[in-house]
Amino acid sequence: GENVEQHPSTLSVQEGDSAVIKCTYSDSASNYFPWYKQELGKGPQLIIDIRSNVGEKKDQRIAVTLNKTAKHFSLHITETQPEDSAVYFCAASRGSNYQLIWGAGTKLIIKP
Amino acid sequence: SAVISQKPSRDICQRGTSLTIQCQVDSQVTMMFWYRQQPGQSLTLIATANQGSEATYESGFVIDKFPISRPNLTFSTLTVSNMSPEDSSIYLCSAGDGDYGYTFGSGTRLTVV
Repeated sequence: GENVEQHPSTLSVQEGDSAVIKCTYSDSASNYFPWYKQELGKGPQLIIDIRSNVGEKKDQRIAVTLNKTAKHFSLHITETQPEDSAVYFCAASRGSNYQLIWGAGTKLIIKP
Repeated sequence: SAVISQKPSRDICQRGTSLTIQCQVDSQVTMMFWYRQQPGQSLTLIATANQGSEATYESGFVIDKFPISRPNLTFSTLTVSNMSPEDSSIYLCSAGDGDYGYTFGSGTRLTVV
């Protein structure tokens, strides 16, 4: 069935360094790829998304890249800060029914 | 983007009882979803709440256990019925329009004892 694989499950980086989280999807019909940040005790928050007609999108320190041929998309966070520590989820749209297929999550730890 | 108010934020319930979780959106939205999330795990879709009709349930979830209402475009409820300890989890409401960009409520942390 459709699935989204996300790696790594845990990522520890030094404050100020960059972090990269990668996802692979299986559904060729997927055309929307969001990234969510979830802090402890809160619901997921949409931080950036990309659609299949775009290869890259940036928003300040955050960027997402999409390779449709390889069915890969990645989240890039530059100049990491302590407040970036959280769990990050990638997702891919499921065909055309407006549902999302979720990755397993990456716990990002920013070391001071 | 829509702002979601979800109630209650947490509850401790006796087994065999039911709990209804409310999800209020500050604007009309096309899509509303209910998820379950075990601590430290990813999100599992329970169902899509359809306005004015029966919800669409995912495999492994049934209406008798998780009845859902959606009387209008801004409000939905999820009931967890005849609860057992295995139902202890975080339940999340999500909403948005057909262009995605879904937002989430803050979740309901349910403990069944």
